[in-house]
Amino acid sequence: DIQMTQSPSSLSASVGDRVTITCQASQDISNYLNWYQQKPGKAPKLLIYDASNLETGVPSRFSGSGSGTDFTFTISSLQPEDIATYYCQQYDNLPLFGGGTKVEIK
Amino acid sequence: EVQLVQSGAEVKKPGESLKISCKGSGYSFTSYWIGWVRQMPGKGLEWMGIIYPGDSDTRYSPSFQGQVTISADKSISTAYLQWSSLKASDTAMYYCVRRNYYGSGSYSLWGQGTLVTVSS
Repeated sequence: DIQMTQSPSSLSASVGDRVTITCQASQDISNYLNWYQQKPGKAPKLLIYDASNLETGVPSRFSGSGSGTDFTFTISSLQPEDIATYYCQQYDNLPLFGGGTKVEIK
Repeated sequence: EVQLVQSGAEVKKPGESLKISCKGSGYSFTSYWIGWVRQMPGKGLEWMGIIYPGDSDTRYSPSFQGQVTISADKSISTAYLQWSSLKASDTAMYYCVRRNYYGSGSYSLWGQGTLVTVSS
């Protein structure tokens, strides 16, 4: 079974900082990797699909990269409204989410 | 408006059965896979399974196989998640999701969630 390791589990950064989250798959998943944002009390929201494609309507400060086993999600300039938990999700056979990264403002 | 609307919160006792629903509207319900995602209190997202309402093809995550049943009634554009005997550990928020045609197994459309509380 494919395992997804997402890190860090939490981070604290200042407004305007560049924030990076990584997700590592236990085996090659090509670009079958999506990223979601979940704000407290809300359903998750798709931000990035197929590793690097920005979902319609999502601000361009969000980006993704990677292929194979190593993936990166970046917020180029952290905004107060970006406080949330972020999840990677692979789809090689059946979907599997990473453990999540809680992003807070320093 | 394209949306998934889930049934309301439930409070049940251990051993009871439960069926929660997810009604799709604003699109062709039989043409998109519908999945279910569990989120236990304070925890992350867990994939449970998925159904294609067009032909009821259903797949389960190994962790949930045999623990729940996913079904759909295409005549009323509604998917279901059911338990025959609830446990306290089933206490969680449950989301239904619609798989996109684009992207590899990505999910843009989410229901509002159904909170299930199992307590004696």
